[in-house]
Amino acid sequence: TQLLEQSPQFLSIQEGENLTVYCNSSSVFSSLQWYRQEPGEGPVLLVTVVTGGEVKKLKRLTFQFGDARKDSSLHITAAQPGDTGLYLCGATNKLIFGTGTLLAVQP
Amino acid sequence: DTAVSQTPKYLVTQMGNDKSIKCEQNLGHDTMYWYKQDSKKFLKIMFSYNNKELIINETVPNRFSPKSPDKAHLNLHINSLELGDSAVYFCASSYPGTGASYGYTFGSGTRLTVV
Repeated sequence: TQLLEQSPQFLSIQEGENLTVYCNSSSVFSSLQWYRQEPGEGPVLLVTVVTGGEVKKLKRLTFQFGDARKDSSLHITAAQPGDTGLYLCGATNKLIFGTGTLLAVQP
Repeated sequence: DTAVSQTPKYLVTQMGNDKSIKCEQNLGHDTMYWYKQDSKKFLKIMFSYNNKELIINETVPNRFSPKSPDKAHLNLHINSLELGDSAVYFCASSYPGTGASYGYTFGSGTRLTVV
């Protein structure tokens, strides 16, 4: 069974701090996606990473795909309260999602 | 225009009842999905469906059945509801095959509460 383990599970930080969320697996994936889910809504796609070692940036968010394509990370610089939400990694071509990271950014 | 829409948003029903959740997408995607999100926020695939193939997660009870009148719609019918069916159910869609590698568009979810 392919699994995507995310860490940390919960993260509460102050506005302006930096943070990194990890998504790890023992399996190799052709691509991974990152989503953000806000309360009462469905997950919204942020990015897809495809190439091993790839780095993508979305404003203050930086996504990296591991060289071996088994893991990925999401780094947020100078977190804002609007970044609060549940962050999910996913390998949608394998129909699986990670265990989730619940981020709370305090003003 | 809403890309993937689910109805109802909330559903409260008694044990033993039969209910349906509707899903429609206007993105022209060929593949649609139903996911269940439990109280720990874990998303688990229930069904994947396109014109050619229905993939069923073997752990899903046969009380759950997808029904697709056309490629823009994938409804979820649940028979004999149980307390443990309480969860948030998400519909999603994508392009088929390798297109799914580029991610899904999700609906806003249906919170089902069985009492």
